[in-house]
Amino acid sequence: QTVVTQEPSLTVSPGGTVTLTCASNTGAVTSGNYPTWFQQRPGQVPRSLIYSTNNKHSWTPARFSGSLLGGKAALTLSGVLPEDEADYYCLFYYGGVWVFGGGTKLTVL
Amino acid sequence: QVHLQESGPGLMKPSETLSLTCTVSGGSMSNFYWSWIRQSPGKGLEWLGYIFYNGDTYYSPSLKSRITISLDTPQKQFSLQLRSVTAADTAVYYCARVSVVYRWFDPWGQGTLVTVSS
Repeated sequence: QTVVTQEPSLTVSPGGTVTLTCASNTGAVTSGNYPTWFQQRPGQVPRSLIYSTNNKHSWTPARFSGSLLGGKAALTLSGVLPEDEADYYCLFYYGGVWVFGGGTKLTVL
Repeated sequence: QVHLQESGPGLMKPSETLSLTCTVSGGSMSNFYWSWIRQSPGKGLEWLGYIFYNGDTYYSPSLKSRITISLDTPQKQFSLQLRSVTAADTAVYYCARVSVVYRWFDPWGQGTLVTVSS
């Protein structure tokens, strides 16, 4: 069974920088896993922020960036705002099947 | 602007078959995958499966024995059937469009809550 693991929770101060990561139990994450990142605020529909590792949508704030880091997929927020407090989910592709990570609850405090 | 809207029963009994439909407006269904995703109350997201516009289907291994996704291109709809539901299938069910080339998931529908209870 394929498992994608995220930090359950992280806390960051306003204006700070934080990196969320996603690991795969199948080995190093690659661009072939098409790492995708979603933001979900309470009571809202998830919204895609990053796709195919590091590509941003037109609505993705510049402070969000995606990368591969040490065999994991990473989402970095630089200059965090209070409105970035949310759940963040990664999603990986495994040859026809997609698997979500368990999500990271990001607290801005 | 493409818009997706889920529809289906909100309450079901155990052992019944869940049937949901996602209606697509504002765009073509061609050259995209059409996906179902769910989120149990207070839990994370789970990818259930998707269908390509040519009818090819891909399912989560954990649900493969119970799930069917189908497409009605003239009606611009795609559907989810989940057989033999239990309380564990209680969730908000979302439909989403998936790009073939870039593999992004957007847009999503607003989601519909399905509760399985006797």
